[in-house]
Amino acid sequence: SDELTQPPSVSVSPGQTARITCSGDKLSNEYAYWYQQKSGQAPVRIIYKDKERPSGIPERFSGSTSGTTVTLTISGVQAEDEADYYCQSADVNSDNWVFGGGTKLTVL
Amino acid sequence: QVQLQESGPGLVKASQTLSLTCTVSGASLRSAGSYWTWIRQHPGKGLEWIGYIYYSGRTQYTPSLQRRLSISLRTSDNQISLTLTSVTAADTAVYFCAKGTITRGSPSGMDVWGQGTTVIVSS
Repeated sequence: SDELTQPPSVSVSPGQTARITCSGDKLSNEYAYWYQQKSGQAPVRIIYKDKERPSGIPERFSGSTSGTTVTLTISGVQAEDEADYYCQSADVNSDNWVFGGGTKLTVL
Repeated sequence: QVQLQESGPGLVKASQTLSLTCTVSGASLRSAGSYWTWIRQHPGKGLEWIGYIYYSGRTQYTPSLQRRLSISLRTSDNQISLTLTSVTAADTAVYFCAKGTITRGSPSGMDVWGQGTTVIVSS
């Protein structure tokens, strides 16, 4: 299956750690990417190739992988991190790309 | 600084053809390793990958739209075009274009996005 599964929502208090998972059969063989989308804005890439962080993205954002699950970790969550987060991957065999359903992060 | 700007009709009638343009500044469409992607977002929903085109012209489309979709490069204008035929209400969405680059042999994701253009399909 090409599907990527994310929890619909995650809630944390400021300063705590948020973990957003993304599961899919292809993730054991394919890279994952993470995007942050704030309300009314275009998405922004925050992690690529499982764990690489682009320049300009705060160090509190990190990515990890284990088997068929990848995890976006936000350490020391700030109010400004409240957004929707999407994982994305590709299938080398079919060349198709897919997004997860998205996770709404609420900062309490 | 690379910038992308989508443009389109805003409103299109059902059964007609939708044509969108993504104008790129600060980068060449034919830059080796680059790819250009279209993504859409239905109202209140998540992101949906539509398709991409590589700098070489090779395309890949999501299976559900493959029969109706075409993406091409207009290098003279530094634009990427999207054409979607026989539209229905289900094609109502915000359409984004985005850029990516192959690094160390693999895609780096989509590192630059346009602001998106809203398309409403009316009956």
